[in-house]
Amino acid sequence: TQLLEQSPQFLSIQEGENLTVYCNSSSVFSSLQWYRQEPGEGPVLLVTVVTGGEVKKLKRLTFQFGDARKDSSLHITAAQPGDTGLYLCADSNSGYALNFGKGTSLLVTP
Amino acid sequence: DTAVSQTPKYLVTQMGNDKSIKCEQNLGHDTMYWYKQDSKKFLKIMFSYNNKELIINETVPNRFSPKSPDKAHLNLHINSLELGDSAVYFCASSSIAGALTDTQYFGPGTRLTVL
Repeated sequence: TQLLEQSPQFLSIQEGENLTVYCNSSSVFSSLQWYRQEPGEGPVLLVTVVTGGEVKKLKRLTFQFGDARKDSSLHITAAQPGDTGLYLCADSNSGYALNFGKGTSLLVTP
Repeated sequence: DTAVSQTPKYLVTQMGNDKSIKCEQNLGHDTMYWYKQDSKKFLKIMFSYNNKELIINETVPNRFSPKSPDKAHLNLHINSLELGDSAVYFCASSSIAGALTDTQYFGPGTRLTVL
């Protein structure tokens, strides 16, 4: 099971600001998923990236997968309070379950 | 309709007790999971079942015993509860075991507090 490093661990910003969070590993990802977990709820899948260099957009969220497939980033443009939550990256644990990073906890204040 | 449901939502109990958490999914998925999220929000796989058969059992104490009566249900029974078992437990399901590109659907979690 490879170690997924996420940074920053905590991020507190004001509404309207932009931010980027990162997910890195020393090993190559076969593919990578990003989840968002809101307080008191389970994680919800945002995106899956598979191909090195891939960029996917989900409204104000932009996901990038590194060319070497060892890193990924999530950029949020003009953050809103509804973006508050825990952002988790995950890869496959032996192919049968998810192996999560420790997450980035984001707080967006009005 | 809730896709993955868990009961109870909150569970407060004394050390040494035995408790169960129930999970049901109505998505028709073949694979179900139990994850544990600790106080630092780290989410870690405990068990994975495919078609009622155990396919992953991470380094979990044998006080934890999952039971899958059918493909739609995966319950978690915990014996002799310890303080360190306090956490949020999430059930999840997916249609395919072993496919990272598949979506896992998580339940709302059960917050277990052991006193």
